Amino acid sequence: ILNVEQSPQSLHVQEGDSTNFTCSFPSSNFYALHWYRWETAKSPEALFVMTLNGDEKKKGRISATLNTKEGYSYLYIKGSQPEDSATYLCALNTGGFKTIFGAGTRLFVKA
Amino acid sequence: DAGVIQSPRHEVTEMGQEVTLRCKPISGHDYLFWYRQTMMRGLELLIYFNNNVPIDDSGMPEDRFSAKMPNASFSTLKIQPSEPRDSAVYFCASSLPQWVQYFGPGTRLTVT
Repeated sequence: ILNVEQSPQSLHVQEGDSTNFTCSFPSSNFYALHWYRWETAKSPEALFVMTLNGDEKKKGRISATLNTKEGYSYLYIKGSQPEDSATYLCALNTGGFKTIFGAGTRLFVKA
Repeated sequence: DAGVIQSPRHEVTEMGQEVTLRCKPISGHDYLFWYRQTMMRGLELLIYFNNNVPIDDSGMPEDRFSAKMPNASFSTLKIQPSEPRDSAVYFCASSLPQWVQYFGPGTRLTVT
């Protein structure tokens, strides 16, 4: 059974803090990695799709890196704002369109 | 574009009843996915379609669940008979072959 692990499970930070989370996956089954942002009572929204080892993607204050050889990806948020509060999901695509989601990291940003 | 549309947004039904959830993908998207979200298991892929054809239904929990996609703009997920353990939020998502999936607002199902 393929497992996508995310850590930490939840995170509480102050406004202005920078933070990062980890997504770990089996490196032998890699095809693509997605990051999604999921606000409470809404649906997941895609942030990044990464396919190549060493990929780095950026969207405003949020960026992500990918290491397919060791099987991990980091998501960074610079200068967290209350509106960044959400669950951040990573999802592994192992070929075809089958996607395995991690349990998510729940971020709380306090003003 | 209106995005992925799901209906109903909330459904409350009694155990044993048939439940049908509906999804309209984004126009032009080739792929359609049905997910179930629960506290215990997180977000699980149930089934996905490519060009209206079911490709992988290995995530469908049991024979009580069935999904159809009669045309490119409509899909249904049916549970018959429903059970309390089917209570969850069911998401539909669609995508082009570039893999980014666009999720609908979800249907919150409660089976009493």
